[in-house]
Amino acid sequence: RKEVEQDPGPFNVPEGATVAFNCTYSNSASQSFFWYRQDCRKEPKLLMSVYSSGNEDGRFTAQLNRASQYISLLIRDSKLSDSATYLCVVNRGAGNNRKLIWGLGTSLAVNP
Amino acid sequence: ETGVTQTPRHLVMGMTNKKSLKCEQHLGHNAMYWYKQSAKKPLELMFVYSLEERVENNSVPSRFSPECPNSSHLFLHLHTLQPEDSALYLCASSQDGMWGFNEKLFFGSGTQLSVL
Repeated sequence: RKEVEQDPGPFNVPEGATVAFNCTYSNSASQSFFWYRQDCRKEPKLLMSVYSSGNEDGRFTAQLNRASQYISLLIRDSKLSDSATYLCVVNRGAGNNRKLIWGLGTSLAVNP
Repeated sequence: ETGVTQTPRHLVMGMTNKKSLKCEQHLGHNAMYWYKQSAKKPLELMFVYSLEERVENNSVPSRFSPECPNSSHLFLHLHTLQPEDSALYLCASSQDGMWGFNEKLFFGSGTQLSVL
């Protein structure tokens, strides 16, 4: 089992739709969680951190479920510009043993 | 100039060539990274430098040689590469926090490397 797993998609949704991605992780000791966005042929960019209490940034909402070991990303009112690959990242360990574990990403295509 | 800049954007090299990738960060961060991104694979961490000292080397072949002369600059020296080394090479930086490094990463635009 991969340490971080994502549904690769692609998710094809119309503009204005609500779409949700899940990401599961296997290491229960993981402490930090992130969603990155990567446009085609570009570098990953941090979209948002995921906090235990859940957090929202405009149309984007991130949730963490420690009991079931998954994080989610909800995008409301999808825009064409949201088309990208969304990478789930989980951090484990501490200090110099801290490691970032990357998922393969979920591809989203928002259609007019 | 702001952020993390990488040069060159594209590189084609033969297996006997020697080339170097350059990365510069203007964010005042104290940790820098080299990542490799291949098709259908998750990002692979290659090297980490924290306060100019290498703290991680993820079993990377010796044909890849990093250099970090100061906290703002990072190089990846390449020699006698193989075709399977063709990939997108990404530099990133972050600020060490109370949890250690590997906090929020800021990436450069990457070097698309093709080895013939």
